[in-house]
Amino acid sequence: GDSVTQMEGPVTLSEEAFLTINCTYTATGYPSLFWYVQYPGEGLQLLLKATKADDKGSNKGFEATYRKETTSFHLEKGSVQVSDSAVYFCALYTGGFKTIFGAGTRLFVKA
Amino acid sequence: GAGVSQTPSNKVTEKGKYVELRCDPISGHTALYWYRQSLGQGPEFLIYFQGTGAADDSGLPNDRFFAVRPEGSVSTLKIQRTERGDSAVYLCASSLGLADRTDTQYFGPGTRLTVL
Repeated sequence: GDSVTQMEGPVTLSEEAFLTINCTYTATGYPSLFWYVQYPGEGLQLLLKATKADDKGSNKGFEATYRKETTSFHLEKGSVQVSDSAVYFCALYTGGFKTIFGAGTRLFVKA
Repeated sequence: GAGVSQTPSNKVTEKGKYVELRCDPISGHTALYWYRQSLGQGPEFLIYFQGTGAADDSGLPNDRFFAVRPEGSVSTLKIQRTERGDSAVYLCASSLGLADRTDTQYFGPGTRLTVL
């Protein structure tokens, strides 16, 4: 079945450091890919998405490129801030009306 | 505009009791979804509605769980004879219901259910 694997956390970085959170997927169809973010005490928010191969999704300084050849959708940010501390979820959707999520990666950013 | 809303935000109940969790989707969204998120895990699909009907309830763990959406808008997730293992955050999402992979689900803040 379809699945998403993302790097285990927690990831701890200093402010202004470069962030990469790895995500790979397995899908029988041609999925759209998403990153959702969950800030402490809040619900899931859509961070960015890409619907076809080589598309780059971007938002709030974060970006991820849909790589069909490596079945990956790694999340990157050039300079993290303390306010980026949250749990990040990679997800896929193939039109089958259920989104498949990874287990989440917790990010801590220190001042 | 208003996002997906869920009530209550927190619910504490005793083992064996009945609970109802409510979801109010984004206006104009025909599709509605329920997910369950256990501690340290990603959300897991429970049920999907297109309009008033449950198009896919394959994620409901057993027959103690039931959901309705009688008028095609607000939905209620009902759990009978609650067990401690039902403790989790229950998330609701809605979308335009496009029949392809470009559809995007928008999530509510969740209801944290604790069964003592």
